[in-house]
Amino acid sequence: AQSVSQHNHHVILSEAASLELGCNYSYGGTVNLFWYVQYPGQHLQLLLKYFSGDPLVKGIKGFEAEFIKSKFSFNLRKPSVQWSDTAEYFCAGGYNKLIFGAGTRLAVHP
Amino acid sequence: SAVISQKPSRDICQRGTSLTIQCQVDSQVTMMFWYRQQPGQSLTLIATANQGSEATYESGFVIDKFPISRPNLTFSTLTVSNMSPEDSSIYLCSVQPTWDSHRETQYFGPGTRLLVL
Repeated sequence: AQSVSQHNHHVILSEAASLELGCNYSYGGTVNLFWYVQYPGQHLQLLLKYFSGDPLVKGIKGFEAEFIKSKFSFNLRKPSVQWSDTAEYFCAGGYNKLIFGAGTRLAVHP
Repeated sequence: SAVISQKPSRDICQRGTSLTIQCQVDSQVTMMFWYRQQPGQSLTLIATANQGSEATYESGFVIDKFPISRPNLTFSTLTVSNMSPEDSSIYLCSVQPTWDSHRETQYFGPGTRLLVL
């Protein structure tokens, strides 16, 4: 069965710390992978996406993600987080029909 | 990027009643979808809103409970029928705009927060 799993449900970091949020997918066929972010009180926004080509994709606000086919992973990274990165992050995958991971709540303390 | 609006933004309803949620996009889109986000949970796809034909529902969702309309390429409605407290959720529409080179990319509306008493 198709699935997307996120390893960390809650992450707490201090400003300037590095971030890596795990995401694993399990489905065959075309691999389209996304990271979305939901800031407090705001709607879901697209951070970045992978369809094909370079496995390292860069998104908005300094985020990047690496698609590793052998590990079925699409982890989200940021070298230095800011307080404004406090949000919930969702990994999603699929073709037309998106399957979402459970989400990771990130809290960044000043 | 596409501007997606939803009405109402939130509502409190009595059990047994129905609520229709509207989703409007400022440009034509190929696909429109409806998702549900239950409290503390992730997003689950309810159905794909097809223009000019019946919606395609996911397992666990039926037309009688969640009738959907899509009369044109920029507008869709989702009705939550005969509501119960278990229907309390955020309902979101998403679109696949024609301008994105990756046609399968979905952009989400602000959501409708529904509380059923």
